[in-house]
Amino acid sequence: DIQMTQSPSSVSASVGDRVTITCRASQGISRWLAWYQQKPGKAPKLLIYTASTLQSGVPSRFSGSGSGTDFTLTISSLQPEDFATYYCQQANSFPLTFGGGTKVEIK
Amino acid sequence: EVQLLDSGGGLVQPGGSLRLSCVASGFTFSSYTMSWVRQAPGKGLEWVSTISGSGGSTYYADSVKGRFTISRDNSKNTLYLQMTSLRVEDTAVYYCAKGLSIAVAGWDYWGQGTLVTVSS
Repeated sequence: DIQMTQSPSSVSASVGDRVTITCRASQGISRWLAWYQQKPGKAPKLLIYTASTLQSGVPSRFSGSGSGTDFTLTISSLQPEDFATYYCQQANSFPLTFGGGTKVEIK
Repeated sequence: EVQLLDSGGGLVQPGGSLRLSCVASGFTFSSYTMSWVRQAPGKGLEWVSTISGSGGSTYYADSVKGRFTISRDNSKNTLYLQMTSLRVEDTAVYYCAKGLSIAVAGWDYWGQGTLVTVSS
């Protein structure tokens, strides 16, 4: 199984900050990586797929990069509605696996 | 507008069974893979199972293999998850999710979730 390791597990940031979350796969997954945002009590929301493709309707302050084993989600200027938990997910092979999550909190 | 309405959760004793349903609308249901993803209370996301658009291919997490069965009725636009031999560790919110058009590259729409509680 492919293990997905996210870091940090939590980050405190202020509105307007640039935030970067990393995700590492235990083996190469090409660009088969997705990022999700989840708020308490809500279903996850797809932000990015195939490592860098922005899902329709997602603000351009979100961006993704990487290939192989190392990936990054960047929020260029944190907005109040961005405080949430973020998950990466590999879509290269079954079993599909998620990272442990990164909670973005208000500083 | 794409909508996924999942239902069927509830309280069940260990060893019991439950069937979850997810009614889809707003897209050509038979053209997309569908999946179930769960989240235990206070924990992260865990993929459970995926089924192809035709229903001919199914995939399961090791943690549920042999106990859960995913199926779909394309004439009713409905996805199912039959859960048997339930364990305390199966307690979670279960979400149905629609696959992107690109294989299983991600899930672009999710149901609201249905809570399954396994407890004596």
